[in-house]
Amino acid sequence: AQSVAQPEDQVNVAEGNPLTVKCTYSVSGNPYLFWYVQYPNRGLQFLLKYITGDNLVKGSYGFEAEFNKSQTSFHLKKPSALVSDSALYFCAVRDPKATGRRALSFGSGTRLQVQP
Amino acid sequence: DTEVTQTPKHLVMGMTNKKSLKCEQHMGHRAMYWYKQKAKKPPELMFVYSYEKLSINESVPSRFSPECPNSSLLNLHLHALQPEDSALYLCASSQPQAGIPNEKLFFGSGTQLSVL
Repeated sequence: AQSVAQPEDQVNVAEGNPLTVKCTYSVSGNPYLFWYVQYPNRGLQFLLKYITGDNLVKGSYGFEAEFNKSQTSFHLKKPSALVSDSALYFCAVRDPKATGRRALSFGSGTRLQVQP
Repeated sequence: DTEVTQTPKHLVMGMTNKKSLKCEQHMGHRAMYWYKQKAKKPPELMFVYSYEKLSINESVPSRFSPECPNSSLLNLHLHALQPEDSALYLCASSQPQAGIPNEKLFFGSGTQLSVL
């Protein structure tokens, strides 16, 4: 079984400060991990993914995420938050060893609010 | 063209109505998806089409009937829906690559459905 948890419903940060949105996962083998962002009244947009290789993955809009196998985490980070980063962020996982299913499992989402 | 276009953007229907949601992409993607998203919740997978064949049906009630007429189009036919079916319905596409995961999904903006 594959699952992902986002422990925070909402994260508040001041503009210019670093931000972290947390994600932990559960799969039987090595995971494929993803972050998506959803702006109001829009579909989800792909930010970045980890499949293999360097544990630090860089993505769109200055975001990056760090894969930590020992802590089964894939936290999303940005060095300096912008008000325009305010949105709903979803972590997702797929277990490449899972037979049959080839679709993502999404976390419950974390609302990021960046204050001016 | 990197867009997934969904129509209509909003739909209000009665429980005895028959309606259809439409989705179109011209990126040459051969996997297409329907997701259902309730407010402040993650998207829930409904159906996956791969090379125009239904590959995943997540035990969706028969009042939802998907159709993939060709590689660019995906429909969701609705009949005798219930008020609890009110949600944002998202279409997505991706390009499957043998042996290499590609969950970089491109989402449409969705159809906001209200069932009265």
